[in-house]
Amino acid sequence: QVQLVQSGAEVKQPGASVKVSCKASGYSFSSYALHWVRQAPGQRPEWMGWINTGNGFRKYSQKFHDRVTITRDTSATTAHMELSSLRSEDTAIYYCARDGVPMIMFGGAIGYFDSWGQGTLVTVSS
Amino acid sequence: EIVMTQSPATLSVSPGERATLSCRASQSLGTNLAWYQQKPGQAPRLLIFGASTRATGIPARFSGSGSGTEFTLTISSLQSEDFALYYCQRYNNWPPWTFGQGTKVEI
Repeated sequence: QVQLVQSGAEVKQPGASVKVSCKASGYSFSSYALHWVRQAPGQRPEWMGWINTGNGFRKYSQKFHDRVTITRDTSATTAHMELSSLRSEDTAIYYCARDGVPMIMFGGAIGYFDSWGQGTLVTVSS
Repeated sequence: EIVMTQSPATLSVSPGERATLSCRASQSLGTNLAWYQQKPGQAPRLLIFGASTRATGIPARFSGSGSGTEFTLTISSLQSEDFALYYCQRYNNWPPWTFGQGTKVEI
């Protein structure tokens, strides 16, 4: 079965960076795009960006584009999301999520999410 | 940016009753709309995509309808495990792909 297992909780100081990993299993890693979605306490989910796990192409939300970097390691079937210049408003649960259709169908991501990681709590506090 | 608005914010229903949740988009989405269920401490779970197609393993009591700017999620007979938060999400055109603010279904 499809599984996305994320790295553990992080506590960071303002101005620091955080890197969250997402280990995929149970399907062909390079066939599906992977997204990163965050959810601040009591808020709706917020899409951050996606990566083509085959060729490495990335697309970020304009809100985060200068602070976020999404990468993948195909040999390890793992994706990473690094967020820099952290501030208190970045305190949230960060999820990786698999795109809903194989990339071969649309040449990229369709934009809905059929499997999610368990989430990684990132706390930004001095 | 396309704005997604859900109503009501909270829906109080009894087990066995029917629940109807609404989602409105500020621009036409066609049928590029998904619904998710989220329980406390858990990740969202995909229920519906394409406005009306149930995801794998989702019970038939969940149904979606609508197109364009108006969408509905119906739970035909609420079970105890259905009390949760529900989000709609648009995925047409280019990102950012956005979520509604959610509807809480409570007893």
